[in-house]
Amino acid sequence: AIRMTQSPSSFSASTGDRVTITCRASQDISSYLAWYQQKPGKAPKLLIYAASTLQSGVPSRFSGSGSGTDFTLTISCLQSEDFATYYCQQYYSYPPYTFGQGTKLEIK
Amino acid sequence: EVQLVESGGGLVQPGWSLRLSCAASGFTVDNYGMHWVRQAPGKGLEWVSGISWNSGNIGYADSVKGRFSISRDNAKNSLYLQMNSLRAEDTAFYYCAKDRRGGAVTGAFDYWGQGTLVTVSS
Repeated sequence: AIRMTQSPSSFSASTGDRVTITCRASQDISSYLAWYQQKPGKAPKLLIYAASTLQSGVPSRFSGSGSGTDFTLTISCLQSEDFATYYCQQYYSYPPYTFGQGTKLEIK
Repeated sequence: EVQLVESGGGLVQPGWSLRLSCAASGFTVDNYGMHWVRQAPGKGLEWVSGISWNSGNIGYADSVKGRFSISRDNAKNSLYLQMNSLRAEDTAFYYCAKDRRGGAVTGAFDYWGQGTLVTVSS
């Protein structure tokens, strides 16, 4: 199975900050990567698919980049509602689809 | 409006069985692959199983292979997960999720249910 590794696992930031989360795949997954946001007690929400395509309705401060094995999710100007846990997921190889371990973004 | 509503969770003893259901509405179910994803309390997401629109392509995580069985009834707009020989490590919230793109199993899940909690404990 393809292993997805996110970094950092958690960190603190302030509203207005620009933040970047990294996801690395254990092998080439082309651009078959999605990013999700999950808030406590809620289901995950798709933010980005195909590594860089913004899902409909997602604010433009979210962006994704990368291909092959290295990917990033960037939030250009943090808002209060962005404090959550973020997961990457590869859908290049099935089965199984695999998720990263998550990155918890907390308020500084 | 797309909605996915899971049901069937509960408290069971190790070795018991449970069947989860997911009722879908607001889209043409038989055009899309569907999946089950679980999350142990306080832990990350784990893909469990997926099924293509016509049930021709089915996959399982190694952790559940041979014990869980996914199925769908397009006429009833429903997805199911039959879970047998349950273990303590199967304790989790179970979410059903819809493929963003139609056709075969394609990944990237654009709609998720609210989840149903399965607790395996003696």
